[in-house]
Amino acid sequence: QVQLVQSGAQMKKPGASVKVSCKASGHTSINQYIHWVRQAPGQGLEWVGAIDPSGAMTVYTQKFQGRVTMTRDTSTSTSYMELRSLMSDDTAVYYCAATGDNVGAAIGYYYAMDVWGPGTTVTVS
Amino acid sequence: DIVMTQSPLSLSVTPGESASISCRSSQSPLQSNGYNYLDWYQQKPGQSPKLLIYLGSNRASGVPDRFSGSGSGTDFTLKISRVEAEDVGVYYCMQEGTFGQGTKLEIK
Repeated sequence: QVQLVQSGAQMKKPGASVKVSCKASGHTSINQYIHWVRQAPGQGLEWVGAIDPSGAMTVYTQKFQGRVTMTRDTSTSTSYMELRSLMSDDTAVYYCAATGDNVGAAIGYYYAMDVWGPGTTVTVS
Repeated sequence: DIVMTQSPLSLSVTPGESASISCRSSQSPLQSNGYNYLDWYQQKPGQSPKLLIYLGSNRASGVPDRFSGSGSGTDFTLKISRVEAEDVGVYYCMQEGTFGQGTKLEIK
């Protein structure tokens, strides 16, 4: 089973950028998409986007288009999410989550996130 | 854009009884391959979310069989049989990256 370790909490000023890392250890899979989901204080879950196993393809929710970049270093099994032009509304816990082999990969379904990181708190103030 | 609407937004259940959470999508999650691209997640207080059900009705590894997912068209349900104290948390449905608002489950 894969485990995800995320970078530590960060505090940023409005207008700045933040980059959060997510390192996978254990059994990594060729089918392993990495998703990023955020949760503002006291609020629900919001999907930010995802990156494919090779790092060549990304998909972002329209709300973050132009402001977010997801990358992946396959040599170190580390994924990154950079969010630019931060606003106070971006204050949230940012989770990375991975898809596994047994939750839809066989039919090309890569949205089921069966391993989650502990979350990284980003505060914009 | 897909809109996911959950109901109720909160419910209080006596241990041992059942709970049902409804999720309605603005677009059918049914794909041409016959699968419903809809998942359910549980988030316990202070924890990261956890996948419960994927592709509409498949339990994820290690999920007790008290949890079941069903539905068709645009209406889907998560049922929790024999609710236990450890089931307290918020439950979310998700369709291809769009989450519902969440349903908070409390124990009476």
